[in-house]
Amino acid sequence: NAGVTQTPKFQVLKTGQSMTLQCAQDMNHEYMSWYRQDPGMGLRLIHYSVGAGITDQGEVPNGYNVSRSTTEDFPLRLLSAAPSQTSVYFCASSFTGPYGYTFGSGTRLTVV
Amino acid sequence: KQEVTQIPAALSVPEGENLVLNCSFTDSAIYNLQWFRQDPGKGLTSLLLIQSSQREQTSGRLNASLDKSSGRSTLYIAASQPGDSATYLCAVGFDGGSQGNLIFGKGTKLSVKP
Repeated sequence: NAGVTQTPKFQVLKTGQSMTLQCAQDMNHEYMSWYRQDPGMGLRLIHYSVGAGITDQGEVPNGYNVSRSTTEDFPLRLLSAAPSQTSVYFCASSFTGPYGYTFGSGTRLTVV
Repeated sequence: KQEVTQIPAALSVPEGENLVLNCSFTDSAIYNLQWFRQDPGKGLTSLLLIQSSQREQTSGRLNASLDKSSGRSTLYIAASQPGDSATYLCAVGFDGGSQGNLIFGKGTKLSVKP
């Protein structure tokens, strides 16, 4: 079992470029989410999905898009990268309900 | 706004000590509470999950308690070891009508000295 897989692990972007952070899970979890982690700010929720075809915004959604066409995949798109999006991004998944979350190993993104 | 606070922000102890990390939250209507460990530059490793109906969970040298009425959880680490050095994160799933998205504390950075 691979759990939650995030790619790439590291990425450097120029301001204005776009890219997609990939997240895949093989546990048949309905719920998936994206967080960003910044020094002094903790982890903050960007977007989440409670199932295929259903997505919603979290605390800090601006500048990011998501889609959920399959149960397994939940990509995060940066439309036009900005230095303020320099962060470590984590994807997480869970069964629906009060179950524990499994996190991926993260993507460290630098926007220059 | 739902908030999760962790105290202390940093803690340094000698090897072998028993220690307690604290987590407080502002809303007692929670789905669950989860404690994570994060090593520098790494992802989050789940340590313990407490459902809203439970009072505590134990795994090896770790024990987590939950008191919803007072909005508090503690993580107890027995006989600490240098390998326990990491940042410990408390995350609360609040019952907001949806899945119960996690709200994280900012963590306690633990250093266990040999």
